[in-house]
Amino acid sequence: EIVLTQSPATLSLSPGERATLSCRASQSVPYLAWYQQKSGQAPRLLIHGASNRAAGIPARFSGSGSGTDFTLTISSLEPEDFAVYYCQQRTNWPPEITFGQGTRLEI
Amino acid sequence: QVQLVESGGGVVQPGGSLSLSCAASGFGFSGLGMHWVRQAPGKGVEWVTFIQYDGSTKSYADSVKGRFTVSRDNSQNTLFLQMNSLRPDDTAVYYCAKEWENSFDFWGQGTLVTVSS
Repeated sequence: EIVLTQSPATLSLSPGERATLSCRASQSVPYLAWYQQKSGQAPRLLIHGASNRAAGIPARFSGSGSGTDFTLTISSLEPEDFAVYYCQQRTNWPPEITFGQGTRLEI
Repeated sequence: QVQLVESGGGVVQPGGSLSLSCAASGFGFSGLGMHWVRQAPGKGVEWVTFIQYDGSTKSYADSVKGRFTVSRDNSQNTLFLQMNSLRPDDTAVYYCAKEWENSFDFWGQGTLVTVSS
């Protein structure tokens, strides 16, 4: 099983600052996505294919990386960005999927 | 618009069974793979199972293999999850999720399953 390790576990920042979240895979992964989850809601897709923003996602969110090391960057934090963020990988076939343990972004 | 509506959650004793449903609308359900994903209270997200568009291929997380069975009825646009031999650590909100570009672009609102005596 591919393990995804996210760091840091908690990130404390202020509105307007830049956030950098890391996701490291135990072996190379072909597909990586990022999600945002707010309390009481289902996760929301932000980034697919490591660097492609999903529909309706603001340009301040960007993803980068390949192989085993991936990064989600929020260029200038808005108050609504404070939430938990998860990375997710998918193996080719049959699909087996794992999520990272999450990074809590707090004020 | 895309809608995924889960139902069937509730309280069940350890060792018991429960069946979940997910009613899909607003997209070509019969042509897409679907997944179940769960989240224990206060914990992270865990993938549970996948079913191919025609039901011909299924895969499961090791934690549920041999106990859970995924199925679908494309004529009714409905996804199912049969859960047997339930354990307290199966307690979670269960979401159905639509696959897109190797990720999940739409999720249901979730249904809570509580395994407790």
